Amino acid sequence: GQNIDQPTEMTATEGAIVQINCTYQTSGFNGLFWYQQHAGEAPTFLSYNVLDGLEEKGRFSSFLSRSKGYSYLLLKELQMKDSASYLCAVREGSGGYQKVTFGIGTKLQVIP
Amino acid sequence: EAGVAQSPRYKIIEKRQSVAFWCNPISGHATLYWYQQILGQGPKLLIQFQNNGVVDDSQLPKDRFSAERLKGVDSTLKIQPAKLEDSAVYLCASSPQTSGAYKNIQYFGAGTRLSVL
Repeated sequence: GQNIDQPTEMTATEGAIVQINCTYQTSGFNGLFWYQQHAGEAPTFLSYNVLDGLEEKGRFSSFLSRSKGYSYLLLKELQMKDSASYLCAVREGSGGYQKVTFGIGTKLQVIP
Repeated sequence: EAGVAQSPRYKIIEKRQSVAFWCNPISGHATLYWYQQILGQGPKLLIQFQNNGVVDDSQLPKDRFSAERLKGVDSTLKIQPAKLEDSAVYLCASSPQTSGAYKNIQYFGAGTRLSVL
């Protein structure tokens, strides 16, 4: 089984930088995803980490430390449209079946 | 490329009634997922299909929920009878055949918002 923890809510100012943390406990770790979900909409893929380190994609970066069971999503130059929930999801297993479990999500509010 | 299609978008029913949701995944995607997302929570996997076979239904309340994926393409999820606690958004997602890390990205449909009164 898995245990995924992330803060439920965060507030940040437009133009600033915000870091959303995610910790997990799992056996058979095989990757970590971040999804963005605007209110009333479907989740959309943001990033994926399977090796330790930082993955950068435009204003968004994601970091993983497998030994610490820890990841963060970094959002730079925040825009009002970044107000959304950010879901951390952990994949476990290998071979034919890989299970992805989602965290509760962090609701980010960007204020002017 | 067309995305994951779901219908209906909204459904209101009374408790003890039955309801069915439909999902059409992205063409060529072998894996199909049904999730339940209660307000303020993350998606919870109900059932996962690989082609038309079930690979995980451990969290599906089998006394009232059922799902099928005929011919390995479209899928339906049914609730019979519905309870108040079934009020949630039901999301369908699909992903390509999984052989490498990036090939397991899930693409979600817009979901069906179910209200049980």
